Amino acid sequence: DTAVSQTPKYLVTQMGNDKSIKCEQNLGHDTMYWYKQDSKKFLKIMFSYNNKELIINETVPNRFSPKSPDKAHLNLHINSLELGDSAVYFCASSSQGISGANVLTFGAGSRLTVL
Amino acid sequence: AQSVTQPDIHITVSEGASLELRCNYSYGATPYLFWYVQSPGQGLQLLLKYFSGDTLVQGIKGFEAEFKRSQSSFNLRKPSVHWSDAAEYFCAVGAGGGGFKTIFGAGTRLFVKA
Repeated sequence: DTAVSQTPKYLVTQMGNDKSIKCEQNLGHDTMYWYKQDSKKFLKIMFSYNNKELIINETVPNRFSPKSPDKAHLNLHINSLELGDSAVYFCASSSQGISGANVLTFGAGSRLTVL
Repeated sequence: AQSVTQPDIHITVSEGASLELRCNYSYGATPYLFWYVQSPGQGLQLLLKYFSGDTLVQGIKGFEAEFKRSQSSFNLRKPSVHWSDAAEYFCAVGAGGGGFKTIFGAGTRLFVKA
């Protein structure tokens, strides 16, 4: 049973379209994240939700809108797609242990290609 | 602000040889440090982590890492590399004190030659 699952795994679309990526975790974690991995493999945090509350919102165009309907789900909607949005988007979740640290569990990624 | 530097973009080692991947971090307090591995087309998997205590930590797949505060380093090592270890390796630093932001280095691609 997959701990963090993302759909779709692959997404090919035209510039200007709107698309969504969905993420679900069954680990009982309180916090979920979206990371973007570019073509050079660089990973950059985009958003994070803790108990459905937005706690991290990096410098991301407002064409990107995350939504967390409950603790187990975090979706990413992207409006007016641009060529530069092509990347692999990773969902992750974490739960702070006694140490106070967040250990991330990642999904398999969603590869978005904008033509 | 947190930052992580992995000086080597890629490294090639022979199967059976030892491996060391370098990682330097910048963080104002005691950091939470991680190594993750990403196989082609896959998500990231946690190899090991350091929070406190013994500065030499053991992880999965025979990997270990040593935290050296004086050098702000957290290098990853393996005594004998297997062909299946070929992957991208990421060092990361997490915020302490209940913070949620984990910052990743640029990654080191490991190639293993027969």
